[in-house]
Amino acid sequence: GAVVSQHPSWVICKSGTSVKIECRSLDFQATTMFWYRQFPKQSLMLMATSNEGSKATYEQGVEKDKFLINHASLTLSTLTVTSAHPEDSSFYICSAPTAGGVGELFFGEGSRLTVL
Amino acid sequence: GENVEQHPSTLSVQEGDSAVIKCTYSDSASNYFPWYKQELGKRPQLIIDIRSNVGEKKDQRIAVTLNKTAKHFSLHITETQPEDSAVYFCAASRRGGNEKLTFGTGTRLTIIP
Repeated sequence: GAVVSQHPSWVICKSGTSVKIECRSLDFQATTMFWYRQFPKQSLMLMATSNEGSKATYEQGVEKDKFLINHASLTLSTLTVTSAHPEDSSFYICSAPTAGGVGELFFGEGSRLTVL
Repeated sequence: GENVEQHPSTLSVQEGDSAVIKCTYSDSASNYFPWYKQELGKRPQLIIDIRSNVGEKKDQRIAVTLNKTAKHFSLHITETQPEDSAVYFCAASRRGGNEKLTFGTGTRLTIIP
């Protein structure tokens, strides 16, 4: 199947700093990528839809100024958690559909963020 | 927007027995229903999916059924094995162009040897 790679897989940072997470589609082009957040023992909550060449679409309740998303190319989307606080600690997972957006959704490995 | 409910939240099954997980959805326009298996600390993996034009799909020990009228779908795992232990998520979306998935709350399945 298609491959979506996410980096870093885990990161620890101090409160107030910013952290960037990259999501790459390695063997296909993705005009759209999705960013999810997962708290321990909970479901995946969609944060935003990343659109190549245009602004991301954020879900209700997600602060767009705090979670900056950039989809600069057909194979790369980035999520930057700005001025991170302990409550931002979570597992962040990106995903991308293949086949022009109607195919199977492939997930990255996930990035575990811990804010001290 | 779409709302997906999933039951049960935890399920323990004796090895070799069957496990059933049920989900309901609210958006009648949803037409794609995948099931994911997630092991601790890892990414969700698609195990089976079904589109609204069929009522049942089977892949070896795994099957999914869909009742569009009642807006519910179920995952059936037969002859369960210890490696089936994981968290399972159902999801729903309108497929046809980058439509987002709405996930259920998850079921922690434990297979008892």
